[in-house]
Amino acid sequence: GDSVTQMEGPVTLSEEAFLTINCTYTATGYPSLFWYVQYPGEGLQLLLKATKADDKGSNKGFEATYRKETTSFHLEKGSVQVSDSAVYFCALSPNTGNQFYFGTGTSLTVIP
Amino acid sequence: DTEVTQTPKHLVMGMTNKKSLKCEQHMGHRAMYWYKQKAKKPPELMFVYSYEKLSINESVPSRFSPECPNSSLLNLHLHALQPEDSALYLCASSRDYSYNEQFFGPGTRLTVL
Repeated sequence: GDSVTQMEGPVTLSEEAFLTINCTYTATGYPSLFWYVQYPGEGLQLLLKATKADDKGSNKGFEATYRKETTSFHLEKGSVQVSDSAVYFCALSPNTGNQFYFGTGTSLTVIP
Repeated sequence: DTEVTQTPKHLVMGMTNKKSLKCEQHMGHRAMYWYKQKAKKPPELMFVYSYEKLSINESVPSRFSPECPNSSLLNLHLHALQPEDSALYLCASSRDYSYNEQFFGPGTRLTVL
């Protein structure tokens, strides 16, 4: 069945460091891929998405590219800030219906 | 308005109480969802409503009873809950069930004593 495997956390980085959070998926067909962010005490916010192979999603300095050949959708940011401290979820939605498959989440802490 | 609102923000209830969670969206979305999220875990789908009809129930115990009175409103009625039901309950909506971008509310933090 469809699934998402996400990099284990927690991740601790210094401010202005480079961030990569790995996400790989298993799916039949051509799913859509998402990164959601959850700040402490809040709900999930859509960070970025990609709906087909080679699409690059980007938002707030974060980027992820839909790589069908490696079944990956890694999240990157060139220079993290303290305000980026949150839990990041990679998610997959098959191209039929609207079931979501979430990864386990990666907790990021950015220290000044 | 691109917001999903949820009330209350926090709820503490005893195992014999009856309470309700409320979710509202005014984006014209026709699919709405309830999720349960335990600490440090991803959200788990509970229910899906599509065009005000229940289309998915993920084998949720009957002490959770969803209701969709209209296309903007989604309720979750709670009765005889257990302490292990304590969690963050998230509501989400999407344009319709075939459109896969979901918008989430801030959640209700539920504590069952």
